[in-house]
Amino acid sequence: GAVVSQHPSRVICKSGTSVKIECRSLDFQATTMFWYRQFPKQSLMLMATSNEGSKATYEQGVEKDKFLINHASLTLSTLTVTSAHPEDSSFYICSVGRGGAYSGQFFGPGTRLTVL
Amino acid sequence: GNSVTQMEGPVTLSEEAFLTINCTYTATGYPSLFWYVQYPGEGLQLLLKATKADDKGSNKGFEATYRKETTSFHLEKGSVQVSDSAVYFCALLNAGNNRKLIWGLGTSLAVNP
Repeated sequence: GAVVSQHPSRVICKSGTSVKIECRSLDFQATTMFWYRQFPKQSLMLMATSNEGSKATYEQGVEKDKFLINHASLTLSTLTVTSAHPEDSSFYICSVGRGGAYSGQFFGPGTRLTVL
Repeated sequence: GNSVTQMEGPVTLSEEAFLTINCTYTATGYPSLFWYVQYPGEGLQLLLKATKADDKGSNKGFEATYRKETTSFHLEKGSVQVSDSAVYFCALLNAGNNRKLIWGLGTSLAVNP
């Protein structure tokens, strides 16, 4: 597998501020990382695919300027929620793909964001 | 296109009961199939997987068989424990899809002592 960490695990911020979430691949150099948002009724929504050294690929309906993704190294991707609003409150999860094309993904523990 | 359909929860069982969580899929080609588990307050963990037809994935007493004829990958466990209480997600991965997983909506399982 792969060991993936996220920081912080929980964050509370005021409306209008920006929040940065880090995703680290601790034992694997990941050229690709994924960012998900999990809604209260469990469903996972893929937000974007983070590509090391290039721009992220966003899914339809995800605002690029709202959710800034930077994948500056093979072990670190960051998601910045800019000008956060209460509706951005959610559980954000990152993952890395490792192994062959059919090996699936390994997930970080998630970050709970609460915007007041 | 690709899609995954899971049975809706919540599922509530008594300890030692038999568990089945249904998962069916639509896909072009020959996808890999996965079950992920999310324990309360935690991230997702890979539970088991199968990469070709008739493969059986197994882990922690859970099993799922890749059935191409019925396009299914049902999750089963013969005797559940309270510690199995979690949300279970079925997912598929198709080649050429840049490792993007296609997810079911998840099934919540509660096991009572």
